Amino acid sequence: TQLLEQSPQFLSIQEGENLTVYCNSSSVFSSLQWYRQEPGEGPVLLVTVVTGGEVKKLKRLTFQFGDARKDSSLHITAAQPGDTGLYLCAGDGVRFGAGTRLTVKP
Amino acid sequence: GAVVSQHPSWVICKSGTSVKIECRSLDFQATTMFWYRQFPKQSLMLMATSNEGSKATYEQGVEKDKFLINHASLTLSTLTVTSAHPEDSSFYICSAKDAPGMETQYFGPGTRLLVL
Repeated sequence: TQLLEQSPQFLSIQEGENLTVYCNSSSVFSSLQWYRQEPGEGPVLLVTVVTGGEVKKLKRLTFQFGDARKDSSLHITAAQPGDTGLYLCAGDGVRFGAGTRLTVKP
Repeated sequence: GAVVSQHPSWVICKSGTSVKIECRSLDFQATTMFWYRQFPKQSLMLMATSNEGSKATYEQGVEKDKFLINHASLTLSTLTVTSAHPEDSSFYICSAKDAPGMETQYFGPGTRLLVL
């Protein structure tokens, strides 16, 4: 049983579209991380959110931490093929969700 | 940013043999290192937490006698898969924190193990 539930599990969209990935839990975390992982490589940290309600932006990526610090979302604006990858959320750095596999078609 | 390396990057071994994987922090001292296992198309599952100079803390369901972890220095942790079997074939990834309580982990590139 995953402590963190991510949805959707798979997402295939066209270049230029917007998308949102969700990470939900019944547990409260002191921090939540979002990673992106390429096949055969280790995860690369995108962002850490620590404050309930916090919003962080990283170019076309917007991350939000829920007020209760139990959930988070990742929104990508105008997706590009280079955004293709596995997006993972992690609670307190070590409890990973199952991931969302994103494919952006040119 | 901080760099973590793993060696080897991939290994193929026969069933029943033992395999050692090294995880090194190259430009910082890692007080805590973590070992994960990732099966194809699945997420990372924490296996154990390794603190320098003390015994590793294993997650429920992970056999400590099968997955031996040694964190002998602030820059090196090793994972030894003893008497490996085909079901141990997986992608093993380590990560390291540079200070207690810090939430930022730096991940290694992973080691792919195939047991024949």
